Amino acid sequence: AQTVTQSQPEMSVQEAETVTLSCTYDTSESDYYLFWYKQPPSRQMILVIRQEAYKQQNATENRFSVNFQKAAKSFSLKISDSQLGDAAMYFCAYRSARENTGFQKLVFGTGTRLLVSP
Amino acid sequence: DAGITQSPRHKVTETGTPVTLRCHQTENHRYMYWYRQDPGHGLRLIHYSYGVKDTDKGEVSDGYSVSRSKTEDFLLTLESATSSQTSVYFCAIRPGRSYNEQFFGPGTRLTVL
Repeated sequence: AQTVTQSQPEMSVQEAETVTLSCTYDTSESDYYLFWYKQPPSRQMILVIRQEAYKQQNATENRFSVNFQKAAKSFSLKISDSQLGDAAMYFCAYRSARENTGFQKLVFGTGTRLLVSP
Repeated sequence: DAGITQSPRHKVTETGTPVTLRCHQTENHRYMYWYRQDPGHGLRLIHYSYGVKDTDKGEVSDGYSVSRSKTEDFLLTLESATSSQTSVYFCAIRPGRSYNEQFFGPGTRLTVL
């Protein structure tokens, strides 16, 4: 079974600085997808960024980028120029590329709470 | 906004009572999911559906049942609520096979006393 580990329960960053959130995962599959979701105090789960395992290029979405290390099974999220609105829980998630029933689920880590100070 | 609503948004109930949570989507997506979120566990899949009347169990399905009689509605029922089912419940949709990501509804906070 796949597992996702986020070893940092909480991280702090100052506005305009850069912060990196860590995520590692365990899988025996070679084709899969990885995601970062943001959950602000409103509780809404918001997709931040996605990465396909077959792509070597790291995904980027504006101030958010990932460092995807497939051999190390590592998928960290870098937030540049941090803003107060970035304060939230961040969840790393894995999904198998297989479409069979039983492989549809997202496997989540336990989350990292990001605090942003002025 | 993926056009997903959940009702109710908050509910308090007593142990032993049945509870039904509703997920409604407006865009005829085929795939729908129910997750629960608990501290220290992230989100875990309860059940999912890949079409009308087509459902399958997730990793924490005990004590839950689902139904999908229409494309737009996916119902989650707690047959006899227990305190261990106190949680935040999220519905999600996946727009289609060409999509890898899932989009979430606003969540329902359920408290079982």
